[in-house]
Amino acid sequence: NAGVTQTPKFQVLKTGQSMTLQCAQDMNHNSMYWYRQDPGMGLRLIYYSASEGTTDKGEVPNGYNVSRLNKREFSLRLESAAPSQTSVYFCASSAFNYGYTFGSGTRLTVV
Amino acid sequence: SQQGEEDPQALSIQEGENATMNCSYKTSINNLQWYRQNSGRGLVHLILIRSNEREKHSGRLRVTLDTSKKSSSLLITASRAADTASYFCATDAGGQNFVFGPGTRLSVLP
Repeated sequence: NAGVTQTPKFQVLKTGQSMTLQCAQDMNHNSMYWYRQDPGMGLRLIYYSASEGTTDKGEVPNGYNVSRLNKREFSLRLESAAPSQTSVYFCASSAFNYGYTFGSGTRLTVV
Repeated sequence: SQQGEEDPQALSIQEGENATMNCSYKTSINNLQWYRQNSGRGLVHLILIRSNEREKHSGRLRVTLDTSKKSSSLLITASRAADTASYFCATDAGGQNFVFGPGTRLSVLP
């Protein structure tokens, strides 16, 4: 099925550990995004990539890095996880001026 | 910072009733979108309305946009239990990226 695929779906990390969240889309969209969702705060943009080869910071980039590996894939890396990064992470993609297609999310707990 | 804010935060209605949610935003926009999120799932795009449009329909959904008041509304007619979800508006504020509000939690009671 066409769409956005995120892996893993669940992850528990210890403080200080690192991990990479993977995201791939098969809709040939130029733009890709990483959001985090916390209770009562809606979605906050971490990083985005307007096109292959470019990445930019969003509202809450501290503690994260991203890589736009190719047009399909956009990964999010936590170098040294902190409890404040406990959240649900969503990847999304879009064509210009159209709605976003979201993945099903990664529920991350940092203990 | 949140550009858009939904109102009310939570809404409970009976099946068959209409549900209206509102979104207010602060700065001029090019586009406004509405999304639905079922519990534990990703967001699903419902409707995109452009700043030069006043109303759009999609099935039982009707979205209006009043740029003079910087507000939008989402109307769900003849609601069903399956409409139970959180609903988010997202605005682009002239840029490429959309900023999401905190959402309205809708409960449709059978």
